[in-house]
Amino acid sequence: DTEVTQTPKHLVMGMTNKKSLKCEQHMGHRAMYWYKQKAKKPPELMFVYSYEKLSINESVPSRFSPECPNSSLLNLHLHALQPEDSALYLCASSTGTAYSYEQYFGPGTRLTVT
Amino acid sequence: SQQGEEDPQALSIQEGENATMNCSYKTSINNLQWYRQNSGRGLVHLILIRSNEREKHSGRLRVTLDTSKKSSSLLITASRAADTASYFCATDAATGNQFYFGTGTSLTVIP
Repeated sequence: DTEVTQTPKHLVMGMTNKKSLKCEQHMGHRAMYWYKQKAKKPPELMFVYSYEKLSINESVPSRFSPECPNSSLLNLHLHALQPEDSALYLCASSTGTAYSYEQYFGPGTRLTVT
Repeated sequence: SQQGEEDPQALSIQEGENATMNCSYKTSINNLQWYRQNSGRGLVHLILIRSNEREKHSGRLRVTLDTSKKSSSLLITASRAADTASYFCATDAATGNQFYFGTGTSLTVIP
């Protein structure tokens, strides 16, 4: 299985809502990533988990809270988001924990904050 | 800040023609990767080239890396309509543990 799955595909939430994005991989990868991508822009790295521990947080606002319950699962908890947080949220995983490994991406969750 | 700038921003070619896109970056790197993204979907890894390599091939793809000029190019030969996508370079910075995607090139292949 060489797939990274993400749920939900689409999410609409109000600024006072709490929601979570979910990402799953069963390739035995030890690193997992969250990216944010605005329309017609490149993906921007948000968080990196290495062996289930948060290793990199690219100065992301605290309204985004990542969680890695086990080596196959990655969640992104959302709370009190702003309309400018509307974007495609991409999850990825890689065999190794350095950036010298190809990353496998999920299809993304398209988030709209109203 | 973004590490890579890609050129051109958009490229439109006829099926069968070759497509070349370029990536320039600012700081020394360990490696450079190229990814493809179909409209609004996840990215697909194409090729990784290490800083001590100058050229790599994979099927119809040819990637070059010139570390002295801090630039890389991706050549797609004999393009197909299915190659229509956005193409991004991504750099692993040699210092600072940083990973950035370039600005991307939008390629349209006309059947």
